[in-house]
Amino acid sequence: DAGVTQSPTHLIKTRGQHVTLRCSPISGHKSVSWYQQVLGQGPQFIFQYYEKEERGRGNFPDRFSARQFPNYSSELNVNALLLGDSALYLCASSLGGTVPRVNSPLHFGNGTRLTVT
Amino acid sequence: SQELEQSPQSLIVQEGKNLTINCTSSKTLYGLYWYKQKYGEGLIFLMMLQKGGEEKSHEKITAKLDEKKQQSSLHITASQPSHAGIYLCGAGGNSGNTPLVFGKGTRLSVIA
Repeated sequence: DAGVTQSPTHLIKTRGQHVTLRCSPISGHKSVSWYQQVLGQGPQFIFQYYEKEERGRGNFPDRFSARQFPNYSSELNVNALLLGDSALYLCASSLGGTVPRVNSPLHFGNGTRLTVT
Repeated sequence: SQELEQSPQSLIVQEGKNLTINCTSSKTLYGLYWYKQKYGEGLIFLMMLQKGGEEKSHEKITAKLDEKKQQSSLHITASQPSHAGIYLCGAGGNSGNTPLVFGKGTRLSVIA
């Protein structure tokens, strides 16, 4: 079975531009989460979607937005890019749900490396 | 908010040696996850611990959660070059939709 897939793998943008990152979850997973990881730090939570609804938002500015589609794939959009947005953007999927899922950890994709110049 | 502190920040060990990485939480852990990350790549799920005193093993890696559920350790026996990478602990709440909070990671290098 395919794991979590993200595209593109690498991206270079200029300050002020807009970027869209894409993620396809593992088949059967309905929850998608987005994380930002800057060099030397652990991943920081940005968004979580479950059944196409936003279920959580981290401490990120409104320039960051996301959505989940009927096939459970997801897009992360970042407007008005800043140099500080340069990072590895990770998507993770899980079964999700409203009850604790003890056997459903997050499964991560390989990420999109975004460089803002 | 929950914070996770990992120690050490980095570790260099000789091949064949044992090592331990620690993860300490500011709050009670409802779920503790260990991941491994190769530089610039995604996170690979290793193990999940939920119950106080729980211990799990996979190949030469053993993870434990203390009885008070505020500290976890990851132990690697007879380290190999394939163990090199960044080890991250992540903590979730008591809901399947609670996002994970991660520590900063421990960078492990294994030298021949």
